[in-house]
Amino acid sequence: NAGVTQTPKFRILKIGQSMTLQCTQDMNHNYMYWYRQDPGMGLKLIYYSVGAGITDKGEVPNGYNVSRSTTEDFPLRLELAAPSQTSVYFCASSPRDRYTDTQYFGPGTRLTVL
Amino acid sequence: AQSVSQHNHHVILSEAASLELGCNYSYGGTVNLFWYVQYPGQHLQLLLKYFSGDPLVKGIKGFEAEFIKSKFSFNLRKPSVQWSDTAEYFCASPPRVGGGSNYKLTFGKGTLLTVNP
Repeated sequence: NAGVTQTPKFRILKIGQSMTLQCTQDMNHNYMYWYRQDPGMGLKLIYYSVGAGITDKGEVPNGYNVSRSTTEDFPLRLELAAPSQTSVYFCASSPRDRYTDTQYFGPGTRLTVL
Repeated sequence: AQSVSQHNHHVILSEAASLELGCNYSYGGTVNLFWYVQYPGQHLQLLLKYFSGDPLVKGIKGFEAEFIKSKFSFNLRKPSVQWSDTAEYFCASPPRVGGGSNYKLTFGKGTLLTVNP
C-alpha cells in the first residue's frame, strides 16, 4: 500500500496564478481531508469529504475548492493564489468513524506564493 | 468550543533525558485524544491514541501518555529520549460524539523537540 500520496512536493506560484494539488489514497477510506500547516499554528482544516460526491467546508475554506469524483482522489484547487496561501498542505484519509479512527497523512506539498 | 493546548513550544533535551510534553483539553463528556509526530521533512504519523479504559496508553517507539481527567490532561512521556526522537509533536482531539457535522481533528499548536546527541 502506498497510503496517501500527494503531488507536487514543492511549488512556487506567482500571485494570481492557479493550481491543483493532487491527493490519492489506496486504502479505500471513506473520509478525506485537506489541512494547511503554518509555523506555530498547528493544522487547520480546509475542506473534507465523507465520500465520493460529498464535500464540505472546514475552518479555512476561502480561496480553495475541492471535488471528490472517486473514492481515491481528492484534489484541492487554488484559484487566484495569494501570499497568505503560502503554507504546507497535507491531505489525509480515515476509514469511516470520525470519532475514533486514525487519520493517515500524506507527505505534504510545500507551496510558496510570491 | 473544543480546544487542545500545548504549552511547550520548544523543548531541548540531551540524549537519555526523560521527556514529558504537556497537552490539555478544554471539554467534558466523552474524551478521545491522539498524539501525532512529524519527523523532519516527513508527514504526520500516529504515536498513540486514547478512547476509554486504561488511562495509561502505550504507543510506538517507547512513548506513552496518561489521561488524567481531573487535570484535563494527556501528557506524552518517554523515559529516555534518543537523537532520532527529534521531531514536532502534536496533540489532537477528534470530533466529539454528538457534535453535529464536525469532522475535523482539532490540533494543538505543536511542540518542537530537539534532542542533542
